[in-house]
Amino acid sequence: GQQLNQSPQSMFIQEGEDVSMNCTSSSIFNTWLWYKQDPGEGPVLLIALYKAGELTSNGRLTAQFGITRKDSFLNISASIPSDVGIYFCAGPDSGGSNYKLTFGKGTLLTVNP
Amino acid sequence: KAGVTQTPRYLIKTRGQQVTLSCSPISGHRSVSWYQQTPGQGLQFLFEYFSETQRNKGNFPGRFSGRQFSNSRSEMNVSTLELGDSALYLCASSVRGKAFFGQGTRLTVV
Repeated sequence: GQQLNQSPQSMFIQEGEDVSMNCTSSSIFNTWLWYKQDPGEGPVLLIALYKAGELTSNGRLTAQFGITRKDSFLNISASIPSDVGIYFCAGPDSGGSNYKLTFGKGTLLTVNP
Repeated sequence: KAGVTQTPRYLIKTRGQQVTLSCSPISGHRSVSWYQQTPGQGLQFLFEYFSETQRNKGNFPGRFSGRQFSNSRSEMNVSTLELGDSALYLCASSVRGKAFFGQGTRLTVV
């Protein structure tokens, strides 16, 4: 099946710094989703992208749908302690169903106050 | 709107037993999916139901099954539990390609 390669695996940054993480796929995606998961909780949807080249913001978060349709980026500006968590990218299965998601392995973000 | 509700939050079961997990989707959402999350394999798709029919299925053994009721609530069942079934089981309700997750059920098999 298709795979999503998410990098970096982990990041340790100082409060106030900007963060960038990315996800690449072995196949073309029609949708990219970015989630954040706190310990013991379910993933929370941050941003959804539907078109190649699309750039979407949600507060301090900005995500882009790569023009090759095989990658996506998530940027967090001016990080704060509550940004700590695991960030996942996800996309629908190459078989065509938007309801069967493949997830990356996640990026663990630690923010030092 | 209330979010996705999963019950119970925590379960401890013995090998060989079976377990049923419950999920109530966001009101108006007809698609319900289930995922297994483990440290080694990450988030993996189990199955998806829409209007009481299973539309998609992941690569899990037949011990994992599910169903959806007419009110869109869903249950998943795991029979003959194995130690490797210990995981966080997540339910998501979806609309227009966006999946919204519940808090999950933490299953521990001993």
